[in-house]
Amino acid sequence: DAGVIQSPRHEVTEMGQEVTLRCKPISGHDYLFWYRQTMMRGLELLIYFNNNVPIDDSGMPEDRFSAKMPNASFSTLKIQPSEPRDSAVYFCASSLQYGPGYNEQFFGPGTRLTVL
Amino acid sequence: GEDVEQSLFLSVREGDSSVINCTYTDSSSTYLYWYKQEPGAGLQLLTYIFSNMDMKQDQRLTVLLNKKDKHLSLRIADTQTGDSAIYFCAVDSWGKFQFGAGTQVVVTP
Repeated sequence: DAGVIQSPRHEVTEMGQEVTLRCKPISGHDYLFWYRQTMMRGLELLIYFNNNVPIDDSGMPEDRFSAKMPNASFSTLKIQPSEPRDSAVYFCASSLQYGPGYNEQFFGPGTRLTVL
Repeated sequence: GEDVEQSLFLSVREGDSSVINCTYTDSSSTYLYWYKQEPGAGLQLLTYIFSNMDMKQDQRLTVLLNKKDKHLSLRIADTQTGDSAIYFCAVDSWGKFQFGAGTQVVVTP
């Protein structure tokens, strides 16, 4: 398996533009996570899905952020409109399980977003 | 405070041992993990320990768990330049998988 795939790896955009980040989880993994990493706030969980259904989006910072998972092999995180404070590295991760018990999350390489 | 806390930075000389510390709040956490993030990459599971264990050793890595104090540590023996990375403690805490803020380890020659 190729692991978790994210695209693009780098995105530079101007304030006010729409940004779409993409993720392909590992086949067979029922859980998909979107994280944001910044120097100031560390690693934050934005939202996670179970079997394509959003379970907890309490980490999504604002209505400008939305995430979808139309099928088991694809998810998007959209920011519209983007702002400079959204600049961060966004990670997608997937796992077989979540919650109590052993569960290893597999991370993609991340998308480095810069909003000018 | 945060559910999982770590110191932010550690500098260590090549060949010395590194010790990275983590404290957590949920005493019912059953699995505790250490992830490693190398520059420009995502996080990767390094090792983990089950809560009924006090210690787990894996080659140069030793994980110590003090459940009473809710303290987890990762010791890296004979630290190499390739160990320079950010290390994240993670626990299943309060029904969620919680990561610490990460400890940046810098290995100097």
